[in-house]
Amino acid sequence: DTAVSQTPKYLVTQMGNDKSIKCEQNLGHDTMYWYKQDSKKFLKIMFSYNNKELIINETVPNRFSPKSPDKAHLNLHINSLELGDSAVYFCASSSQGTGNTIYFGEGSWLTVV
Amino acid sequence: AQSVTQPDIHITVSEGASLELRCNYSYGATPYLFWYVQSPGQGLQLLLKYFSGDTLVQGIKGFEAEFKRSQSSFNLRKPSVHWSDAAEYFCAVDINAGNNRKLIWGLGTSLAVNP
Repeated sequence: DTAVSQTPKYLVTQMGNDKSIKCEQNLGHDTMYWYKQDSKKFLKIMFSYNNKELIINETVPNRFSPKSPDKAHLNLHINSLELGDSAVYFCASSSQGTGNTIYFGEGSWLTVV
Repeated sequence: AQSVTQPDIHITVSEGASLELRCNYSYGATPYLFWYVQSPGQGLQLLLKYFSGDTLVQGIKGFEAEFKRSQSSFNLRKPSVHWSDAAEYFCAVDINAGNNRKLIWGLGTSLAVNP
């Protein structure tokens, strides 16, 4: 079973659309994250949630809205998509019980045309 | 400001040769240190990590890394590279404890392996 799973893996959409990426972890972790990897492979944290509470909110346009219905899920909704939003978005999770190791999903490749 | 530097953007080695990927960090205290690998079109897989204790840590796929406090380095090594090791390698530093944790990433080193 996949530990951190995110859907869809690939998404091509037009500018101005609204889209969501879903993430689920079955590791029993209490903290979940969204990371963005740009075309130059640079990784940057966007958000983190601990037990459904927002902990980290980096400088991200408010078109991006994370939602955590429970501690096993952290979804990312993006409004009014722009060309610059094209990137790979990684969901991840961790727990202090795992020695603070962060486990990543396989990524969602978003292309805005 | 905290930062992670991977000086080599791209490295090419021959299959069977040894490998060392460099990582230096800038942080006042000893952080948690990680190496992740990303194969083409894939997600990030943890290779190894250092939290405390023995400064030479063993990871998966035959990789190891050595933490050197005096040099603020955490270099990744493998004695004999396999073609399947061709990938992007990222060094990361965890500078926060508790629940407000944040990884600071290097820009990655792209490894190519010649047959």
